[in-house]
Amino acid sequence: AQKVTQAQTEISVVEKEDVTLDCVYETRDTTYYLFWYKQPPSGELVFLIRRNSFDEQNEISGRYSWNFQKSTSSFNFTITASQVVDSAVYFCALRSNAGNMLTFGGGTRLMVKP
Amino acid sequence: NAGVTQTPKFQVLKTGQSMTLQCAQDMNHEYMSWYRQDPGMGLRLIHYSVGAGITDQGEVPNGYNVSRSTTEDFPLRLLSAAPSQTSVYFCASSSGLRELFFGEGSRLTVL
Repeated sequence: AQKVTQAQTEISVVEKEDVTLDCVYETRDTTYYLFWYKQPPSGELVFLIRRNSFDEQNEISGRYSWNFQKSTSSFNFTITASQVVDSAVYFCALRSNAGNMLTFGGGTRLMVKP
Repeated sequence: NAGVTQTPKFQVLKTGQSMTLQCAQDMNHEYMSWYRQDPGMGLRLIHYSVGAGITDQGEVPNGYNVSRSTTEDFPLRLLSAAPSQTSVYFCASSSGLRELFFGEGSRLTVL
């Protein structure tokens, strides 16, 4: 069985602060894929990033960056200089190469105050 | 390009009624799935399909049926609605193990 844990249920920051959203996963598979999705107040699910288990290189996309550490089974997401528009629920998810199930964490609600 | 289309967006049912949530995708994705989202519980997989004629159960399948007669469509049926099925339902599709594309969601209330 696979599992994704997002221990932070809610985070509140002031605009321009940096914030890191934690994601820890469990899987017995050696090949798997990790994802982050954003769910803004409007409710849709927006894909942010996909990372496979063989690629531990960190990735940066504008103000967003992701830190994948296989040794600690973590795939953390950092927003630099947060903005009010970053306010949303963020989900981390795991999909194994062998299975067809995408397992989501419980989500982290990020509130960015002006 | 419409992507993943779900209907209806909102529905209110009485306990015991049946209904079908429709899902269609126009990206020729072989994989389709249904999730429900409840407060504090993230998204949980109900059923999924890896191609026409093939379906399988996810984490929370009880009370739901699916079928996949075409690549494009993957309807979710509630046979006898219960208040515990009040939730937001998302349909999603993908090509292989790439990212899922989600529909806009269907908010269902069972009284």
